[in-house]
Amino acid sequence: DAGITQSPRHKVTETGTPVTLRCHQTENHRYMYWYRQDPGHGLRLIHYSYGVKDTDKGEVSDGYSVSRSKTEDFLLTLESATSSQTSVYFCAISESTRPGGELFFGEGSRLTVL
Amino acid sequence: TQLLEQSPQFLSIQEGENLTVYCNSSSVFSSLQWYRQEPGEGPVLLVTVVTGGEVKKLKRLTFQFGDARKDSSLHITAAQPGDTGLYLCAGISSYKLIFGSGTRLLVRP
Repeated sequence: DAGITQSPRHKVTETGTPVTLRCHQTENHRYMYWYRQDPGHGLRLIHYSYGVKDTDKGEVSDGYSVSRSKTEDFLLTLESATSSQTSVYFCAISESTRPGGELFFGEGSRLTVL
Repeated sequence: TQLLEQSPQFLSIQEGENLTVYCNSSSVFSSLQWYRQEPGEGPVLLVTVVTGGEVKKLKRLTFQFGDARKDSSLHITAAQPGDTGLYLCAGISSYKLIFGSGTRLLVRP
């Protein structure tokens, strides 16, 4: 199994508060991704990273920011959480040396915004 | 935006039955992947199909990539309760994986 750890696994917060989700990998893979999963929408890409300090937006990036200061850590931040950001968030890493290769996922972080 | 549509959205069948799940798009993909996700876990890759017309078998699961590389199917023979889960197809678009909305399969004993 790919070494991917997400934290926290569960979080309940209130509208307007900042939230940071952490993804930590032990595989030294270049590519890391944040997805959100909602009923009827499958997995939607929020942001991704192709190296330290190299990040780009996905299809649903509004309201989210990311940072990657080390190869092993990819942080997802909600500056001011809203109820529409209630979701399950998955981090993924790519074992392939090219972008868009096969993904290995973490176990997810369930976020509830009241 | 390239979209992947999966059908059916939900499927409930009896153990031993066969089923087919479809993944369709109006766009061409260089490759398609199939993942299975169980409750409380992240998706796990089942297969990647790359060549138009390609067929891959994984035990009782058969995956096919359309000749035009716009669609794919997953066929399960003699389904078992252990096959229960969410099946997701995904295609590479601009170096990123785009996922379909998934097919939720329930296999009843």
